[in-house]
Amino acid sequence: KNQVEQSPQSLIILEGKNCTLQCNYTVSPFSNLRWYKQDTGRGPVSLTIMTFSENTKSNGRYTATLDADTKQSSLHITASQLSDSASYICVVSWDYKLSFGAGTTVTVRA
Amino acid sequence: DTGVSQDPRHKITKRGQNVTFRCDPISEHNRLYWYRQTLGQGPEFLTYFQNEAQLEKSRLLSDRFSAERPKGSFSTLEIQRTEQGDSAMYLCASRPRSGNTIYFGEGSWLTVV
Repeated sequence: KNQVEQSPQSLIILEGKNCTLQCNYTVSPFSNLRWYKQDTGRGPVSLTIMTFSENTKSNGRYTATLDADTKQSSLHITASQLSDSASYICVVSWDYKLSFGAGTTVTVRA
Repeated sequence: DTGVSQDPRHKITKRGQNVTFRCDPISEHNRLYWYRQTLGQGPEFLTYFQNEAQLEKSRLLSDRFSAERPKGSFSTLEIQRTEQGDSAMYLCASRPRSGNTIYFGEGSWLTVV
């Protein structure tokens, strides 16, 4: 069983709307929780990195939250744009080890 | 800083042939990873280098797979006697000695026909 579960698997939103992606993890211990954006056929690009002691981290229209007690994280996309269409991957790390979720595929439609 | 570079970006090969992928990490990044990713899935860990030392190798890496990083700079991933199940994107990532950000390359797509 994957130690990092993401939901939903995919979603479609209209341009300009907001959306929230979920990540639940069982990896323990962990030092950082990361969110990556991956365009189709491209390598992942880092959006945010949070340590276990941080609750929130923003990068432009992307805001990640972390609840280390419940082992949940979310990624909120504000005022979505067509260029936000991509897969968003949650990654939990400890030392050099990374555990990846399967990703949430976001499609933004005009 | 030119980012993590991978070559070739795409490779089509016949079953049974050998293929080699190259990764050039960001300059002075001493840590390097190889991952494999198939459609709709997150990357799967293959191997990890710290400088020239291969510190961990996944059980996913059968004896047909080998990775090297001879001088602690670029790395190669070789797949011998390719099988159709090897078709995937092979991602390389690097990380600095100090610092948390892990930078991925654009990946090398392998299609085995």
